[in-house]
Amino acid sequence: KAGVTQTPRYLIKTRGQQVTLSCSPISGHRSVSWYQQTPGQGLQFLFEYFSETQRNKGNFPGRFSGRQFSNSRSEMNVSTLELGDSALYLCASSPGQGIQETQYFGPGTRLLVL
Amino acid sequence: AQSVTQLGSHVSVSEGALVLLRCNYSSSVPPYLFWYVQYPNQGLQLLLKYTSAATLVKGINGFEAEFKKSETSFHLTKPSAHMSDAAEYFCAVTPNSGYSTLTFGKGTMLLVSP
Repeated sequence: KAGVTQTPRYLIKTRGQQVTLSCSPISGHRSVSWYQQTPGQGLQFLFEYFSETQRNKGNFPGRFSGRQFSNSRSEMNVSTLELGDSALYLCASSPGQGIQETQYFGPGTRLLVL
Repeated sequence: AQSVTQLGSHVSVSEGALVLLRCNYSSSVPPYLFWYVQYPNQGLQLLLKYTSAATLVKGINGFEAEFKKSETSFHLTKPSAHMSDAAEYFCAVTPNSGYSTLTFGKGTMLLVSP
């Protein structure tokens, strides 16, 4: 079975621009979560989607948004980019929802904001 | 809120030596606990998961972890380190709210010398 795929793998943007990142979960997985990884803050939860609905959201500003499509693929969008948004953005998928689920991570998208 | 603390941002061992990476959790009820590994420029790979079925959990690549409720610990061990074990290791916990959201520790970089 193919793993979680994320596109693009690398991105360079300038301040004020917006960016869209894409995630395709493992086939059959219906839950997708997004995490931001930075050297200073470590791994932080952004949001979780299940069956096209946002189920949980982390403590990030409204510039960060996401959605999930009927085929479980997910996108996240960051508007009005700031230098501090430079990070590795990781997507994870799991078969269902709940604390017993194991999340499987993709390779990430590395975003650099100049 | 659930949290995990990883003691030591860096751990150095010689090849063939015992690996011990420490993780303590804060929780009023037994949580679900995970260890993930991240190799350079890659996403997170699940090593093992504790779900209360057994206190000693065996994972991939010869790693195992023991859940100790009295010590609120979930330390990761491997009897004999290999050069290929050099990576960053993250301990994580899921909340009791019903979500599968992961809260990560700050990570421990494992350095293996010949």
